[in-house]
Formats: sequence, C-alpha cells, structure tokens
Amino acid sequence: DIQMTQSPSTLSASIGDRLTITCRASQSIGTWLAWYQQKPGKAPKLLIYKASSLESGVPSRFSGSGSGTEFTLTISSLQPDDFATYYCQHYNDYSYTFGQGTKLEIK
Amino acid sequence: QITLNESGPTLVKPTQTLTLTCTFSRFSLNTGGVGVAWIRQPPGKALEWLAFIYWDDDKRYRPSLKSRLTITRDTSKNQVVLTMTNLDPVDTATYYCAHSRGPPYVFDYWGQGTLVTVSS
Repeated sequence: DIQMTQSPSTLSASIGDRLTITCRASQSIGTWLAWYQQKPGKAPKLLIYKASSLESGVPSRFSGSGSGTEFTLTISSLQPDDFATYYCQHYNDYSYTFGQGTKLEIK
Repeated sequence: QITLNESGPTLVKPTQTLTLTCTFSRFSLNTGGVGVAWIRQPPGKALEWLAFIYWDDDKRYRPSLKSRLTITRDTSKNQVVLTMTNLDPVDTATYYCAHSRGPPYVFDYWGQGTLVTVSS
C-alpha cells in the first residue's frame, strides 16, 4: 500500500504569514493528490485536487504543487478562518489513502 | 446542492455488527463516474477511508478491513449502506459518507458524520 506522510504534524503561524505543508508518498503517484481542510467537529472540505487544481469556491490564497512523491500545500497569506487541520490524500481507482494530518495553530 | 446524511446506531457492543446508512440527495448513483465512499475518524486521529462504491456497482475496500466490510447501494432509495462485522473498541469513530464526482475520485461533498462508540 502507498503511504502518505505529512510534515510538520503541527504548525504555529500568525495572520498574514505565508506557509507550506508538505506531503510525501511512499512511491510515485503522479499528480493523484488532493488536499482537505477540517475544522473541529466538522466534515473535511476539499481544497485542491490533481495536486494543483483549486476546487470551485476555494480562496485563491490556497495553492498546491508537486508530482511524483513530493507535494506541497501553500497558503499565501493566513486568514483567521484558515486555522484548521489539513490532510493530503492519494486517490486512484482502488485506494484513497489519507496522510496523518497537519494541525495549523495560531502563534 | 448535494447533501448526504449518515444514520445508524450510536452505541454498539464488541463483536456485534454495525450497519450504517448514507441517504443522499441531488445526485444519482446511476450517473457515470459518480461514487460514494465511507470514511472514518477515531477521536483525535486522522481520516481513514473504508469503502467506495462506483456508479456501476464496482466496489473497493480498505485492504486491512476488507474481510469485515460490505458496501451496497439502493438506487431507488438513494442510499448506500456500510456493514462492518465483529466490532471492537478501536472501531470507535465518527463515520462519514462522501460523494465523488469522479474521475478524479476525490470527495467533494460530505455528510456531517455520525459518532459510533463500541463499548460493552
């Protein structure tokens, strides 16, 4: 099975900061990578699919990049609404593996 | 707006079987490409996908849980049902169902989730 590893596990940042979260796959997955945001007590929300495609309605301060085994989610200027946990997910037609999550906290 | 709603027991005893129902609206599981998945999240832990059913009734299961899971659909009722056998306290989690417009098979709409506790 393909394993997805996110870093860091926890990240402290301030409003207005630019930050990057990394997701690594245990083997090459092309660009079959999505990112989700989850707030406490809520269902996840799709942000990015196919590594860099922004889901409709998601603010443009979110962007994704990467291919193969290394991927990043970047938030260009942190807003109060962005403090949440972020998950990467590899998907293909037989597996939908999530990373362990990155919790973004207010510094 | 697509909606999904999970329903089922909130408390299950160890060794029992869990049956969860996902009732959805504003899409059809007969539409090419569409799928519905079950994903769970133990308290304070990461998301873990469990099962996926495609529009053509093809199915996928998490390999480590495949022997315990069954996913079925009832297109006339707009429902997807997940059955998990031989429950254990480690199966305590919030269980979500989610829609996939696929391909790509990402989860663009989610239910609110239902917390299932496994305890004697």
